[in-house]
Amino acid sequence: DIVMTQSPSSLAVSAGETVTINCKSSQSLFGSVRQKNYLAWYQQKPGQSPKLLIYLASTRESGVPDRFIGSGSGTDFTLTISSVQAEDLANYYCQQYYDTPYTFGAGTKLELK
Amino acid sequence: EVQLVETGGGLVQPGRSLKLSCVASGFTFSSYWMYWIRQAPGKGLEWVSSINTDGGSTYYPDSVKGRFTISRDNAENTVYLQMNSLRSEDTATYYCAKEIFGVFYWGQGVMVTVSS
Repeated sequence: DIVMTQSPSSLAVSAGETVTINCKSSQSLFGSVRQKNYLAWYQQKPGQSPKLLIYLASTRESGVPDRFIGSGSGTDFTLTISSVQAEDLANYYCQQYYDTPYTFGAGTKLELK
Repeated sequence: EVQLVETGGGLVQPGRSLKLSCVASGFTFSSYWMYWIRQAPGKGLEWVSSINTDGGSTYYPDSVKGRFTISRDNAENTVYLQMNSLRSEDTATYYCAKEIFGVFYWGQGVMVTVSS
C-alpha cells in the first residue's frame, strides 16, 4: 500500500497568514499516460464530513476559493492556504488515488493562534 | 446535487452485528463505485470496503475482511454495510462515499459505538 505522510500534524495560525501543509507519498503518484499526479486534498470542519478541495494535485473543485492552492509532483505535494480566514480552521487530509487501496494522510489540524 | 444519507448506526455490544445503509440521490447511482470509509474518534480516515457498479466485485482491508460485507441495490439507490463480530476498534463514524476517478464525495456519516 502507498503510505501518505503529512506534516505538520497541527499548525496554529493567525487570520491573514499564509500556511503550507505538506504531503509525501511512499511512491510516485505521477501517471505517465495522462501526465497527471493522482493526489487529492480534503477539508474536514468539526462535526462535518470531508469535503473535496483539490484533485489531480492542483485542480480546485468547483466553488473552492482560489486562496487554496495545490502544488507538487511525484512524491512531494503541498497545500497552500493564502490569507487564512477563520472559516478555514479545520483538518486537512491528502489522499492518493494512483493505486488501490486508495490511502489517506493522517491529517493536519489548522488551529487559531 | 449529490446526496448520501447514512442510517443504521448506534451502540452495539462486542461480538454483535449491525447493518448500515446509505441512500443516494442526485446522480446515476448505478454508474459509480461506492465506498465505506471510517474515522475513529479523533483519528484519520480508513477505507473499509468498496463495491463496483453492478455489485459483482467487492474489496476489503484485512482489518475487516471476513467480518464486513458491502452490497448494493441499484434499483433502490442504496449501498449497505453488514458488520458482524464487531470489536471495540470498529468504533468510528462510518461514511458512505461516491467515488469518481479516484476522489470521493461524502455523506454526513453515522456513528457506530462498540461497547459493553
